[in-house]
Amino acid sequence: EAQVTQNPRYLITVTGKKLTVTCSQNMNHEYMSWYRQDPGLGLRQIYYSMNVEVTDKGDVPEGYKVSRKEKRNFPLILESPSPNQTSLYFCASSLSNYHQETQYFGPGTRLLVL
Amino acid sequence: QQQVKQSPQSLIVQKGGISIINCAYENTAFDYFPWYQQFPGKGPALLIAIRPDVSEKKEGRFTISFNKSAKQFSLHIMDSQPGDSATYFCAAIGAGNQFYFGTGTSLTVIP
Repeated sequence: EAQVTQNPRYLITVTGKKLTVTCSQNMNHEYMSWYRQDPGLGLRQIYYSMNVEVTDKGDVPEGYKVSRKEKRNFPLILESPSPNQTSLYFCASSLSNYHQETQYFGPGTRLLVL
Repeated sequence: QQQVKQSPQSLIVQKGGISIINCAYENTAFDYFPWYQQFPGKGPALLIAIRPDVSEKKEGRFTISFNKSAKQFSLHIMDSQPGDSATYFCAAIGAGNQFYFGTGTSLTVIP
């Protein structure tokens, strides 16, 4: 089944403890992206990647890192999480870098930072 | 600074009625305007999208109306059904591949 998977789905952590949220797609998609969703703010783009080893900042990149060492994986790294990073995170991918290509979203990761 | 402004925040419609959600943008570099539908516990899924050279696009009961001069676009859901109850997001994208989403509209269709 073609899909975007994220792990873990739920995570509770403490301030300052490094964590990684994994994202993987099995559709051979070029473009991958991370978003956070917060009440009243909608979805905001954190980082995106147009190809292996190519990443760019989105609207709210502060406090996050990403890497794209393989085409299928695009992990989101929080080196020193803070409570304001408590949010619902979505990974998405699309077939090509053409910006009008359909994006497919993962199921989400709900993160609570205490 | 919200690049895409969406209203209303929530909407309650009777079954069979028309649901209308509005969005506005400022950046004329945007050239693709999708709408996403999100059910509780799920990721957003593309519903319908429009390019600014078209004033209207219809897919089944869903229609996007686009007003380029006013920099506004809207989603109309005809014959709204309880199964349409979800959160809807508009979005705007330019060639730079940065996506900007609206703040979302929670739609409830009452049987």
